Amino acid sequence: EVQLVESGGGQVKPGGSLRLSCAASGFMFSSYNMNWVRQAPGKGLEWVASISSSSSYIYYTDSVKGRFTISRDNAKKSLYLQMDSLRAEDTAVYYCARDAYDNSGSWYYDLWGRGTLVTVSS
Amino acid sequence: AIQMTQSPSSLSASVGDRITITCRASQGIRIDLGWYQQKPGQAPKVLIYGASSLQSGVPSRFSGSGSGTDFTLTISSLQPEDFATYYCLQDYSYPRTFGQGTKVEIK
Repeated sequence: EVQLVESGGGQVKPGGSLRLSCAASGFMFSSYNMNWVRQAPGKGLEWVASISSSSSYIYYTDSVKGRFTISRDNAKKSLYLQMDSLRAEDTAVYYCARDAYDNSGSWYYDLWGRGTLVTVSS
Repeated sequence: AIQMTQSPSSLSASVGDRITITCRASQGIRIDLGWYQQKPGQAPKVLIYGASSLQSGVPSRFSGSGSGTDFTLTISSLQPEDFATYYCLQDYSYPRTFGQGTKVEIK
């Protein structure tokens, strides 16, 4: 089955760290760019970070630069998000999403995991 | 960063209604825009990409249009399963940016 499954969420104190994982199955993980998107409780979607298929290109939203690190292990078919110096405003459901590419030049997120909840609270 | 302004933030409609949601980019993004549907407790799902291309498996009552800065998502005849929140997302440049969302509720 083609799917993404996130894990690693939980409750952590401000200033703490957490590492999220996203396990891919059913498709050639190494061929796809991957992304993390988050959603704070009751709020909209926010793109967090992206990594290209070979890890050559990495991008972050400004609010997590210097605190979060996206990485991947193509041999293990896994995507990661190392989150350090966590803040209350990082509280959210974190989704991993696969980047699909259409020959017309369009990119879109065609496969999503169910998400993992990160709560930053003292 | 490109700002995506989505409107309205919410709307009430009846089954069978035609509805339109708009998204405006703070600068031109060609046709590099997608529309996503999210139901409570679920992950988002892509409906439209490249401004007007219908994702496989998505009903034809969904359509998208626009280019440059102004885009629309239209549902031609609202069905019970369409009550959800809709987001636009620009894929023209990084950082990727979503619109604020439009919650479609039952009238």
